[in-house]
Amino acid sequence: EPEVTQTPSHQVTQMGQEVILRCVPISNHLYFYWYRQILGQKVEFLVSFYNNEISEKSEIFDDQFSVERPDGSNFTLKIRSTKLEDSAMYFCASNLDRAANEKLFFGSGTQLSVL
Amino acid sequence: DQQVKQNSPSLSVQEGRISILNCDYTNSMFDYFLWYKKYPAEGPTFLISISSIKDKNEDGRFTVFLNKSAKHLSLHIVPSQPGDSAVYFCAASGSGNTGKLIFGQGTTLQVKP
Repeated sequence: EPEVTQTPSHQVTQMGQEVILRCVPISNHLYFYWYRQILGQKVEFLVSFYNNEISEKSEIFDDQFSVERPDGSNFTLKIRSTKLEDSAMYFCASNLDRAANEKLFFGSGTQLSVL
Repeated sequence: DQQVKQNSPSLSVQEGRISILNCDYTNSMFDYFLWYKKYPAEGPTFLISISSIKDKNEDGRFTVFLNKSAKHLSLHIVPSQPGDSAVYFCAASGSGNTGKLIFGQGTTLQVKP
């Protein structure tokens, strides 16, 4: 079965540094998402992206965050100046249609640790 | 944001028995409810879903029940197998077809051989 690929699996960075998390969604999918899960907490929606623009974003997704689809295959999440509280598992997801019943396909995640 | 709640952090059942995982929600505007399963070091994987206009959906060993008046849904796994041991997330999809899911906290299921 096709899968969403995320790199790196682990990322350690110093507070204040910029990080870019990378994702390769399933090739024929049109909608892309980032979620995150802080240790011991819920999986939280960050942002959805379609047709090269943000469709929806949560309160978490402030101006320190940005997303980009730089080419036909990659989808990236950039955190401009990381904070300790950005430490979390970040999941990329994609689907073919954003209908309410359309399941999301998730990647294995990038564990971000901000020191 | 407590729109979707899974009040049981963990559940342990014997192999072959039924596992029942519960989920409550507060927003009556949710259109679809989904269950995802997550193994360690992997992303969540879709398991089963149910529309808000239905009260039951079955797929093999997995059945989801929806009680709209109680704003409650449950996932039944029968018979439970050791390979079912994972974290199970209840999620809800709101109106507007945005693709955004709101997740519960998850319930860790352990199926003992």
